[in-house]
Amino acid sequence: NAGVTQTPKFRVLKTGQSMTLLCAQDMNHEYMYWYRQDPGMGLRLIHYSVGEGTTAKGEVPDGYNVSRLKKQNFLLGLESAAPSQTSVYFCASSLIIRTATSTDTQYFGPGTRLTVL
Amino acid sequence: KQEVTQIPAALSVPEGENLVLNCSFTDSAIYNLQWFRQDPGKGLTSLLLIQSSQREQTSGRLNASLDKSSGRSTLYIAASQPGDSATYLCAPHTRQLTFGSGTQLTVLP
Repeated sequence: NAGVTQTPKFRVLKTGQSMTLLCAQDMNHEYMYWYRQDPGMGLRLIHYSVGEGTTAKGEVPDGYNVSRLKKQNFLLGLESAAPSQTSVYFCASSLIIRTATSTDTQYFGPGTRLTVL
Repeated sequence: KQEVTQIPAALSVPEGENLVLNCSFTDSAIYNLQWFRQDPGKGLTSLLLIQSSQREQTSGRLNASLDKSSGRSTLYIAASQPGDSATYLCAPHTRQLTFGSGTQLTVLP
């Protein structure tokens, strides 16, 4: 049981290049999330998915696209990378729908450190 | 929009000391609040989750309290150890998790 894994761990891009970050979870979770973490700003939600084939925008979606073709995978794409997208990207997953009585802890991957030159 | 503030931003204490980390948030209409731990270069690990109807939650040497009406939560760490050194993040849960910037804790041997 690997939990949440992310590929790659590190990447350096030039401005304008594209790339895809892969997140995989083996816990059969319905919800998956992509965050970015920048110094002094905490984690901010980019996009999330409530199930296979569905995606939704988070707080900072501009410049990113996502896809959830399989329940266990959530892909984050950068079509034309910009220096402002230099960040650490975290994927997370959780089991159940958020309610006032839920205990849906989010499980995080180890992160991908992306530098855009 | 939910805003989360964590004070202090950094804290250094000698081993064995009891300590309190503070978290305040602006929107009290939360489902729950979570405390996470983040080690350098690693992902986040959930420590405690407090439901909106609860006042506190305990796990080992950790105790988290929640005062939803005033928009405050505290994380109490008893008998701190060097292995507790990490960044601690709080995240109230409304439509989504909103994270504070964290408190970087260093426990000196």
